[in-house]
Amino acid sequence: DAKTTQPNSMESNEEEPVHLPCNHSTISGTDYIHWYRQLPSQGPEYVIHGLTSNVNNRMASLAIAEDRKSSTLILHRATLRDAAVYYCILRGETSGSRLTFGEGTQLTVNP
Amino acid sequence: EAQVTQNPRYLITVTGKKLTVTCSQNMNHEYMSWYRQDPGLGLRQIYYSMNVEVTDKGDVPEGYKVSRKEKRNFPLILESPSPNQTSLYFCASSPRTVNTGELFFGEGSRLTVL
Repeated sequence: DAKTTQPNSMESNEEEPVHLPCNHSTISGTDYIHWYRQLPSQGPEYVIHGLTSNVNNRMASLAIAEDRKSSTLILHRATLRDAAVYYCILRGETSGSRLTFGEGTQLTVNP
Repeated sequence: EAQVTQNPRYLITVTGKKLTVTCSQNMNHEYMSWYRQDPGLGLRQIYYSMNVEVTDKGDVPEGYKVSRKEKRNFPLILESPSPNQTSLYFCASSPRTVNTGELFFGEGSRLTVL
């Protein structure tokens, strides 16, 4: 299964942008890049996903490298409520059903 | 409201006493799956189901059973629980288009096996 690599932890200040990186060097051409986050004491929630082009939604932006071997989740203005564990996973024809979340990145937001 | 509902949310049991954690979704999703979350190990997939009567093993299926008799329900069965199954469990569902569909997670079930 294609895997992703993320830093264990990152720190940011409130109202500043945050760039969360993810490496997926073994990504296949049909794999979508998905991001989820898990707030304390809750189940993971969907944030954003993309295939090749950069994507924006109300929660975040996703920047995908041209070779698709890495991506970056961008929170434009971090708030204290964005403190969570962020997971980057791949979903596609071969990995769409059997999913590996890994440990994700613990984001700390300082007031 | 679209949701995935798990029960019980908290359970303390003893070794060997069979238990079932239920999972139900109201979004008519074909795909459902179970995960366990342990400190330092992230989320690991136990079983998944692509549709009614279709189930398959994830990364850590040992000691667990599942069934998918109805589209909305995907119970997780521990026939003879052991202490190493003490964990936080999550159920998730998504539309059939698993290569693009968003996963919806339940709130989790914290299980302690003594």
